[in-house]
Amino acid sequence: AQSVTQLGSHVSVSEGALVLLRCNYSSSVPPYLFWYVQYPNQGLQLLLKYTSAATLVKGINGFEAEFKKSETSFHLTKPSAHMSDAAEYFCAVSPLNTGTASKLTFGTGTRLQVTL
Amino acid sequence: GAGVSQTPSNKVTEKGKYVELRCDPISGHTALYWYRQSLGQGPEFLIYFQGTGAADDSGLPNDRFFAVRPEGSVSTLKIQRTERGDSAVYLCASSLTGDTEAFFGQGTRLTVV
Repeated sequence: AQSVTQLGSHVSVSEGALVLLRCNYSSSVPPYLFWYVQYPNQGLQLLLKYTSAATLVKGINGFEAEFKKSETSFHLTKPSAHMSDAAEYFCAVSPLNTGTASKLTFGTGTRLQVTL
Repeated sequence: GAGVSQTPSNKVTEKGKYVELRCDPISGHTALYWYRQSLGQGPEFLIYFQGTGAADDSGLPNDRFFAVRPEGSVSTLKIQRTERGDSAVYLCASSLTGDTEAFFGQGTRLTVV
């Protein structure tokens, strides 16, 4: 079984500041890990994914995440926030070894607010 | 179309009624998924199709929920005797195979009154 915990349901940063959204996972098997973004009234969009290759994963819109097995973490970062980054962010996990990389277990989400 | 299409975008129904929600996946995608997103929560897995068959329906909450994909393309999620607790956004996703990235539709917002 897998699960993810997103620490902080709301995060507020100033424009230009570092963005850090936290995600810890639990998985009985090696996981795939994902970050999705959801803008208001839109579908989920994949930001980046970890699939057991490089532990530092770069995604779209300047976001990246680092897989740390020792900490069971997959935190999402962006060096400089932009107003357009304001959205809901979801961390998700799926089992690596079952062939169902798309059967995802999502966290409860973190709403990112970006202020001037 | 280029993406996953879900219809209707919004559906309001009375408690006890039957509803159908439709999903048109990306052309050529063999895998199709239904998720449910309740207010303030992340999406929860409902069912996964590989081709025409339901490969995993372990997320369906009870026997009022049923989904079909008769020709391996369009899928319909059916909910009988709707309850107020069924109110949520129902998301559909498709992927080229079960091992590849899933692309999500915009969802159908179901409100049971």
